[in-house]
Amino acid sequence: SQQGEEDPQALSIQEGENATMNCSYKTSINNLQWYRQNSGRGLVHLILIRSNEREKHSGRLRVTLDTSKKSSSLLITASRAADTASYFCATDAWGNNRLAFGKGNQVVVIP
Amino acid sequence: EAQVTQNPRYLITVTGKKLTVTCSQNMNHEYMSWYRQDPGLGLRQIYYSMNVEVTDKGDVPEGYKVSRKEKRNFPLILESPSPNQTSLYFCASSPGQGTYNEQFFGPGTRLTVL
Repeated sequence: SQQGEEDPQALSIQEGENATMNCSYKTSINNLQWYRQNSGRGLVHLILIRSNEREKHSGRLRVTLDTSKKSSSLLITASRAADTASYFCATDAWGNNRLAFGKGNQVVVIP
Repeated sequence: EAQVTQNPRYLITVTGKKLTVTCSQNMNHEYMSWYRQDPGLGLRQIYYSMNVEVTDKGDVPEGYKVSRKEKRNFPLILESPSPNQTSLYFCASSPGQGTYNEQFFGPGTRLTVL
């Protein structure tokens, strides 16, 4: 099964700065999803972007998808201490009925 | 409140003692899934179910069983737990029969097998 891979794996930024993280994958996808996890808790869905979409926004979040490069990026603008979490990308390959998660990207926002 | 619940939240057990982790959702979702999360490995799918009586293996099904007798429940069964099954387990559900939509996660079950 394919798996998303996030980059960078760990990021430390000051409050108010922007945080960008990338995700790469290997095969054709139906959609790509981003999730947030706070310290050992359940994952929370952030954004789903379908293979025919290039960009999507939700509040301070912006996700892009480049299917030719098999990559996606998640941008968090004007970060807050509450954004401190791990962020995962997950890919849904065509006809697979399974969601493959990357290993996660830890973001620390320093107040 | 729309939610996915898991029980127990924490469990310490011994090798070979059968256990069941329950998962229930109140959103009438067709798709349900179990994941395990281990440090450095991210989330890996154990089993999934696209609807009642339909289950299939994920990436790491060895040592686990599931059943889907009703739409709302999807229990995870460890017939003979071993220490390498010590992990954080998550149940998730999603509308539709595939992974076309967002998944809703339960709070997790932290399992330790001694």
